[in-house]
Amino acid sequence: KNEVEQSPQNLTAQEGEFITINCSYSVGISALHWLQQHPGGGIVSLFMLSSGKKKHGRLIATINIQEKHSSLHITASHPRDSAVYICAGTSGSRLTFGEGTQLTVNP
Amino acid sequence: NAGVTQTPKFQVLKTGQSMTLQCAQDMNHEYMSWYRQDPGMGLRLIHYSVGAGITDQGEVPNGYNVSRSTTEDFPLRLLSAAPSQTSVYFCASSYTGAPLNIQYFGAGTRLSVL
Repeated sequence: KNEVEQSPQNLTAQEGEFITINCSYSVGISALHWLQQHPGGGIVSLFMLSSGKKKHGRLIATINIQEKHSSLHITASHPRDSAVYICAGTSGSRLTFGEGTQLTVNP
Repeated sequence: NAGVTQTPKFQVLKTGQSMTLQCAQDMNHEYMSWYRQDPGMGLRLIHYSVGAGITDQGEVPNGYNVSRSTTEDFPLRLLSAAPSQTSVYFCASSYTGAPLNIQYFGAGTRLSVL
């Protein structure tokens, strides 16, 4: 069983919709990362969090330590948000990745 | 500020050939790591380093060697390439000696082994 599991695998939305991507993780994960992989392949870190909530522009990441669950929200989605979103967990000196969520936002 | 630089961007090898994927960062980061990304699978850790002179194996280390003689450089060596090593490879770095900070990724190397 993978230590980090994401859902959904694929998500299609209309421009302006509120989007939620979920990530569940196992015991031993001490911090949770959210990454964005552009259609061209580049990977950018969005957030790293071990508790609470972080916000950057239209992106919000939350984590519930008791439930071992994190969510990435995108408000007022835009076609330029179309990308693969990846969650990854820190366990010791290692990162373990989810399989990613392919998000497509249609105009 | 260059960030994390990976070279080459593309490479085609024949089975049995050797090569080195280069990774360099100019941010004085302690933690560096190599991942491979295959279709339908998440990124998988190959090797990592928590500082100069220290390396360790990740989830899929077989067929790969690394060294960390300087803080800046973390090359990944394929000693005898196999078709199963066809993949996209990413190098990443972060400030502290564990991935507890924002990760900075290189642009990736797309490797095909024929």
